[in-house]
Amino acid sequence: AQTVTQSQPEMSVQEAETVTLSCTYDTSESDYYLFWYKQPPSRQMILVIRQEAYKQQNATENRFSVNFQKAAKSFSLKISDSQLGDAAMYFCAYAKYSGGGADGLTFGKGTHLIIQP
Amino acid sequence: NAGVTQTPKFQVLKTGQSMTLQCAQDMNHNSMYWYRQDPGMGLRLIYYSASEGTTDKGEVPNGYNVSRLNKREFSLRLESAAPSQTSVYFCASSEAWTASNQPQHFGDGTRLSIL
Repeated sequence: AQTVTQSQPEMSVQEAETVTLSCTYDTSESDYYLFWYKQPPSRQMILVIRQEAYKQQNATENRFSVNFQKAAKSFSLKISDSQLGDAAMYFCAYAKYSGGGADGLTFGKGTHLIIQP
Repeated sequence: NAGVTQTPKFQVLKTGQSMTLQCAQDMNHNSMYWYRQDPGMGLRLIYYSASEGTTDKGEVPNGYNVSRLNKREFSLRLESAAPSQTSVYFCASSEAWTASNQPQHFGDGTRLSIL
């Protein structure tokens, strides 16, 4: 079974600075997908960014980018120019490529990101 | 656009009572999911439905049943609630059944407390 590990329960960063959240995963699959979800205090789950394992190029979405290291099974999220609205729980998630059916996501335990004004 | 709608948003039950959590999506998605989130934990998959008429167990299915009533609706039932089922429950949906790379759209969650 696949597992997702987020080793940083909490991170703090000054507004406008850059922060990197870590995620490692374990899988025997060769094709899979990785995601970062944001959960603000409102409890909504919001997709931040996603990465297909077969793509070598790292995904980027505005201020959010990932460092995907397939051999190391590492998938970190970098947030540039941190803003107060970025404060939230961030979850790393894995989905295997199921081919003929849609499986769910396997989540890490999350990192609580604090933005200091 | 409502997206994924869960009812109720909050509920308190006594041990042994039964309850059904409702979920409906208006995005014409094929796949739907139920997760639970416990303090200090990420979401864990309870059951999912890859397409209308099919359901499959996830990581933590014990104590739950599901029904995919139609393409829009996917309900979760607790037959005999236990304190260990106190949690926040999320329903989600995604467009594709052929691959898992499609993003899942989540409801706002149901906070369930069992005394």
